[in-house]
Amino acid sequence: GEDVEQSLFLSVREGDSSVINCTYTDSSSTYLYWYKQEPGAGLQLLTYIFSNMDMKQDQRLTVLLNKKDKHLSLRIADTQTGDSAIYFCAARFSNFNKFYFGSGTKLNVKP
Amino acid sequence: EPEVTQTPSHQVTQMGQEVILRCVPISNHLYFYWYRQILGQKVEFLVSFYNNEISEKSEIFDDQFSVERPDGSNFTLKIRSTKLEDSAMYFCASKTGDSYEQYFGPGTRLTVT
Repeated sequence: GEDVEQSLFLSVREGDSSVINCTYTDSSSTYLYWYKQEPGAGLQLLTYIFSNMDMKQDQRLTVLLNKKDKHLSLRIADTQTGDSAIYFCAARFSNFNKFYFGSGTKLNVKP
Repeated sequence: EPEVTQTPSHQVTQMGQEVILRCVPISNHLYFYWYRQILGQKVEFLVSFYNNEISEKSEIFDDQFSVERPDGSNFTLKIRSTKLEDSAMYFCASKTGDSYEQYFGPGTRLTVT
């Protein structure tokens, strides 16, 4: 069945790059998303990628997709303290509209 | 920038009571969703709604749950007789007809005592 998994925590120093990883289990065409959740706030869409792409870059964010391993990563360059949040990976499989979410990775950025 | 809004931000209710969670999706969006996140667990899909009817629902969305779009702007989730295990953060989301992006509201934290 469909599933999305993420590591739970990541701690980096300000100015370093952060890499948040995600794996998914469905093999059909898929849209994969990254959402950011700050304390007390909703889920903010950061970026998404279709499963026929390998990479997508948007300013400090780079999404890499390894289709063979069904592995998705979000790289944040020059991480700032304002990037501290929970980052959710989500997948939309085939013809379904619903999203499957990972557990979220809590990113802690130390000054 | 338009955004999805939800009210209330926090609702406390007693077990067995009915609750209605409210959402105002982005105005030109056509698909509407409810998700929930029990503390410490994943965000889970509950239901999707399009053209005034449910298009898909999960196993969680049993007879205790219902959704409605009572007017042109609101989208509601009703839980008829709340249980302790309904305590969670409930997120509303919406999207346009031809987009792959779902936009989420800030959530309503429901606490059932």
